[in-house]
Amino acid sequence: SAVISQKPSRDICQRGTSLTIQCQVDSQVTMMFWYRQQPGQSLTLIATANQGSEATYESGFVIDKFPISRPNLTFSTLTVSNMSPEDSSIYLCSLVAGGRETQYFGPGTRLLVL
Amino acid sequence: SQELEQSPQSLIVQEGKNLTINCTSSKTLYGLYWYKQKYGEGLIFLMMLQKGGEEKSHEKITAKLDEKKQQSSLHITASQPSHAGIYLCGAPLKAAGNKLTFGGGTRVLVKP
Repeated sequence: SAVISQKPSRDICQRGTSLTIQCQVDSQVTMMFWYRQQPGQSLTLIATANQGSEATYESGFVIDKFPISRPNLTFSTLTVSNMSPEDSSIYLCSLVAGGRETQYFGPGTRLLVL
Repeated sequence: SQELEQSPQSLIVQEGKNLTINCTSSKTLYGLYWYKQKYGEGLIFLMMLQKGGEEKSHEKITAKLDEKKQQSSLHITASQPSHAGIYLCGAPLKAAGNKLTFGGGTRVLVKP
């Protein structure tokens, strides 16, 4: 199975600031995604991180708020911009491995915005 | 849009007892993923079902997919405290797709 790491694992941030979350994978993968899990809620897909091109965002999410980079097949970043308390969530990256049989998730970044 | 409903939302079982979690889709299922999540942590992949009638087992956990009912069930036999956590089902939004929508989760507590 693929090994996924995320940095930071958690952070407490002030309103109006931005935080960049890193996702590193130990092998090259084609598809990477970013999800959000708000407190007490299930996961919601934010966007697909495309290597070498702009990310594809889901309804309700925009690039200005959640800019995403994917410079290569093993690394991606998600920035949460101009944060508000409503952005307090767990942010998780995921990837598809083994054809479509398996989709793995990173350990998550737990963000609290004050 | 596709919605996944999990039931029950939470349950408490005595150690050694069996438990079943259901995941029902509002639309056609193109596969079904089951994950386990410890509080505040990432998701642990349990298994993925692709075809109707498919059943997979891993240790004491068995999952089955009923395409006609647009439903999957996860069954844990002889539960242990290590089985405690939140169980989430996820399904692709479309055939051969990788974007997942998730159910609301089932919180399981196992009493020793």
